[in-house]
Amino acid sequence: NAGVTQTPKFQVLKTGQSMTLQCAQDMNHEYMSWYRQDPGMGLRLIHYSVGAGITDQGEVPNGYNVSRSTTEDFPLRLLSAAPSQTSVYFCASKSATNEKLFFGSGTQLSVL
Amino acid sequence: QKEVEQDPGPLSVPEGAIVSLNCTYSNSAFQYFMWYRQYSRKGPELLMYTYSSGNKEDGRFTAQVDKSSKYISLFIRDSQPSDSATYLCAMSPQAGGFKTMFGAGTRLFVKA
Repeated sequence: NAGVTQTPKFQVLKTGQSMTLQCAQDMNHEYMSWYRQDPGMGLRLIHYSVGAGITDQGEVPNGYNVSRSTTEDFPLRLLSAAPSQTSVYFCASKSATNEKLFFGSGTQLSVL
Repeated sequence: QKEVEQDPGPLSVPEGAIVSLNCTYSNSAFQYFMWYRQYSRKGPELLMYTYSSGNKEDGRFTAQVDKSSKYISLFIRDSQPSDSATYLCAMSPQAGGFKTMFGAGTRLFVKA
């Protein structure tokens, strides 16, 4: 009964470092996505995928890369971390025919 | 102007009070309306889901949509300390896809 699993839960980076946030789901959902949550801004879509091998940009994609080689996994890569990327990141999945999003527990990222 | 406006609060009420949470929106194409509940350091979880205008009730929770006024509400009856959380409204123009827009979230505290 894992649902959506994100790792790590916390991360501190220095400006310019790169890292990958991991996301896995075990519900066989076609759709997966990454959001960032900032105070007063709500959840904003970074990148999403409608199936293995298919990805697209969301509202705030700059500075992030994604790939989807399997149905289960959808990692988010920060190429060169900047202080503006300090945020809480959520991975989410859903089926293709339903609006209900299932979220992971989040990754709190600080970029110094 | 944001597409979805939501007062961030915080809103503090005594146990047993009726709570009213609200969002306004500007995009008349929105057809699907949702409320997510987010506990501290957790991912959001879907609480209520409605299509088009009208009311939907689930236990102590009632979701109301007024498309003519572009206004949605969530009412919580007999509020409990366990209802203390951030409530995010969300809306989408279609089922499926990634067009869901989120409000900033209202933080609710229910005092025992």
